[in-house]
Amino acid sequence: DQQVKQNSPSLSVQEGRISILNCDYTNSMFDYFLWYKKYPAEGPTFLISISSIKDKNEDGRFTVFLNKSAKHLSLHIVPSQPGDSAVYFCAAGGSGGSNYKLTFGKGTLLTVNP
Amino acid sequence: DAGITQSPRHKVTETGTPVTLRCHQTENHRYMYWYRQDPGHGLRLIHYSYGVKDTDKGEVSDGYSVSRSKTEDFLLTLESATSSQTSVYFCAISESGQGETQYFGPGTRLLVL
Repeated sequence: DQQVKQNSPSLSVQEGRISILNCDYTNSMFDYFLWYKKYPAEGPTFLISISSIKDKNEDGRFTVFLNKSAKHLSLHIVPSQPGDSAVYFCAAGGSGGSNYKLTFGKGTLLTVNP
Repeated sequence: DAGITQSPRHKVTETGTPVTLRCHQTENHRYMYWYRQDPGHGLRLIHYSYGVKDTDKGEVSDGYSVSRSKTEDFLLTLESATSSQTSVYFCAISESGQGETQYFGPGTRLLVL
């Protein structure tokens, strides 16, 4: 039972345009969400997070939107840069008693073309 | 960057041999985690620790054991390695657990022949 889903294995965008990465979840007990970026042969790097009490969080070129009623969150990158090319993982935490565990999606490979 | 190191970074071993991976942190964080990353599966939690000598199982704990005798070190042991344990293993840390961001180490690539 996959509680966090990233349905797009890959996404390709042009440099300067917007990248939108999507994530859906099924467990209504999740109360915080994170995005990680991962380059090949490196560990995941924390990018941005959002609490369930908010619907938007912004950090520079990165914005995360949360739609709790739809159990959906998205990461917007504007403008996209070639250095943003990486695998992006969505993660969720706060499911009941085990509220320090994170559940990860399978990841989306973003390619930003010059 | 969080001070997390993993050793070894690469290892090749044979089926049936025991293997121990080490995670070392310099952040004095209470929580430590071991994940594995496989194609088509994302990151899956193996075991975690919420303090010295306090550990618990994650979603894919079969065939693995852990130990934490010091705050800074979290060891993952494959009792008898199998080919299905070929993977990339990541250690992560967080300061207090609930609602906290987890920070990841650089990973250990393990090949079991």
